[in-house]
Amino acid sequence: DTGVSQDPRHKITKRGQNVTFRCDPISEHNRLYWYRQTLGQGPEFLTYFQNEAQLEKSRLLSDRFSAERPKGSFSTLEIQRTEQGDSAMYLCASSLGLASGEQFFGPGTRLTVL
Amino acid sequence: SQELEQSPQSLIVQEGKNLTINCTSSKTLYGLYWYKQKYGEGLIFLMMLQKGGEEKSHEKITAKLDEKKQQSSLHITASQPSHAGIYLCGAGRMNYGGSQGNLIFGKGTKLSVKP
Repeated sequence: DTGVSQDPRHKITKRGQNVTFRCDPISEHNRLYWYRQTLGQGPEFLTYFQNEAQLEKSRLLSDRFSAERPKGSFSTLEIQRTEQGDSAMYLCASSLGLASGEQFFGPGTRLTVL
Repeated sequence: SQELEQSPQSLIVQEGKNLTINCTSSKTLYGLYWYKQKYGEGLIFLMMLQKGGEEKSHEKITAKLDEKKQQSSLHITASQPSHAGIYLCGAGRMNYGGSQGNLIFGKGTKLSVKP
């Protein structure tokens, strides 16, 4: 399968714990995006990378959130000291980063904070 | 900031019927994406429109972008149960370098198709 993959698909954690998600984009895509989606809403942008550089972060990305893309391939999103309000679907997408670059999404990681 | 409004919020149709979902932007769209999402899953890319007046079709789904590039519609002909899901429109944000940035999404339209 050459699509975007995410791991884990589901994560249940207790409030205050740290969690880390991984995203593997389509191999030739240089752009990688993270979004968050809550029930009944469309995805909301968190941050994106071009190769290994993190180019933009949304105001939604509090200082408890950190994302990395160390070698310009896979990316990780870490949430420290999780709160119940962090419960959501975390989606990763990748694209070629062109003016007409289509974004392809992974299956998402569903986080539940108890 | 740009906002996208989708209508209707939900739709129940009988199998075989046609339907239309609308997406309206408060600003000119640089790129308009349509995605389909099954509950609890990721987004499946359907189509992208960039030019005013552009129309694209894939199987029984047709998407159009109006000339002013502020409104798009998604039309499904002869709906089937497999069309059920949440349809999301997304607007591309243009970066300073002229490349596509992140997407801003509407809240989605939930489609149910009764057999």
